Amino acid sequence: DAGVTQSPTHLIKTRGQQVTLRCSPKSGHDTVSWYQQALGQGPQFIFQYYEEEERQRGNFPDRFSGHQFPNYSSELNVNALLLGDSALYLCASSLAGYNSPLHFGNGTRLTVT
Amino acid sequence: ELKVEQNPLFLSMQEGKNYTIYCNYSTTSDRLYWYRQDPGKSLESLFVLLSNGAVKQEGRLMASLDTKARLSTLHITAAVHDLSATYFCAVEETSGSRLTFGEGTQLTVNP
Repeated sequence: DAGVTQSPTHLIKTRGQQVTLRCSPKSGHDTVSWYQQALGQGPQFIFQYYEEEERQRGNFPDRFSGHQFPNYSSELNVNALLLGDSALYLCASSLAGYNSPLHFGNGTRLTVT
Repeated sequence: ELKVEQNPLFLSMQEGKNYTIYCNYSTTSDRLYWYRQDPGKSLESLFVLLSNGAVKQEGRLMASLDTKARLSTLHITAAVHDLSATYFCAVEETSGSRLTFGEGTQLTVNP
């Protein structure tokens, strides 16, 4: 049973560029959430997708956008990258309506130079 | 806005000793999670606490939740080196909503 898978594992981009990160949820899960974890800090909620729609959003600018596909996989897009966007981006999946913890992927380490 | 505070943020302890990590949160919630993170790795779920008075134990770790005090504790018994990691508590305001994480407690267990 595959867990949450994210790609790529590492990425280096230049300021001003755009990036797309991908996530496949754990089998049977229908909800995907994205978190940003800066070095030495706890993860910060970016947004959550359910039924292909953004259901909740954290305090992140519009440069951060996402999408969920019919197979429940998801993408996180970040435009006009800033140095401060360098972080570990974590995708987590869950099954709506169940009292279960989020299952996190291994993350994508984004470095903006 | 929900705030989650952990203390201590850094903990260095000897093998065989006991210690407790505290997690305080600012608004009503009866859903709290504990995660472990090893350096450069993702988050591993340790405990899910879903009601007042909930207590869960796994090996040398025991977690509890007091929703009236808005406090959760993670107790470490007879620490071993393998427990060295960063531990996060996270609070979910309502079912299926976002998690708000604490800053994490970096635990180092010395021989």
